Amino acid sequence: AQTVTQSQPEMSVQEAETVTLSCTYDTSENNYYLFWYKQPPSRQMILVIRQEAYKQQNATENRFSVNFQKAAKSFSLKISDSQLGDTAMYFCAFMKLPKNYGGSQGNLIFGKGTKLSVKP
Amino acid sequence: DTGVSQDPRHKITKRGQNVTFRCDPISEHNRLYWYRQTLGQGPEFLTYFQNEAQLEKSRLLSDRFSAERPKGSFSTLEIQRTEQGDSAMYLCASSPRGPSGGPFSGSYEQYFGPGTRLTVT
Repeated sequence: AQTVTQSQPEMSVQEAETVTLSCTYDTSENNYYLFWYKQPPSRQMILVIRQEAYKQQNATENRFSVNFQKAAKSFSLKISDSQLGDTAMYFCAFMKLPKNYGGSQGNLIFGKGTKLSVKP
Repeated sequence: DTGVSQDPRHKITKRGQNVTFRCDPISEHNRLYWYRQTLGQGPEFLTYFQNEAQLEKSRLLSDRFSAERPKGSFSTLEIQRTEQGDSAMYLCASSPRGPSGGPFSGSYEQYFGPGTRLTVT
């Protein structure tokens, strides 16, 4: 069974600074996706960034980037130039890929989340 | 609004009552998921539909829970004889079919709705 661990329940950062959120996972699978989702207070879950395990290059989306270390099973999220709107719960998630096309698509396995507060 | 919608947004019910939630996925998304999120936890998978077929069910989905997606569009999640432990946020997500070409050619991104918050008193 796959597990996802986020070891930082809460973090805070000053506006315009950089912060890194940690995530580790455990799996025996070789083909999978990793995601970071953001859940602002009282609002819905939004996808921040996605990483395919077969890609060595780390994914980036504007101010968000990941450090994917497949051998170490580590998948951290770096937020640069933090903004007040980045205040939210951040969830790391794992998805196992189907072994053949048309096979049942894997569900997301989430960590417990990290509550990030960006302070003015 | 073309995102995933859920109804109702909030539901308060007494223990022992039945409740039903509805999810409308993004148009043409053939995959639909239900998750449950309790306070301080990440979402936990409940069940998954591809079109109208229910392909996966978590062991969290006890026999008091049933989900349907009769025409491959909206889905309903029913909880019978609710218990206080059922109090949670129930999230629905949908995902598009990837382009043909193998298991790695789809985005596999799931788009979430706002959730239905259930309180059982």
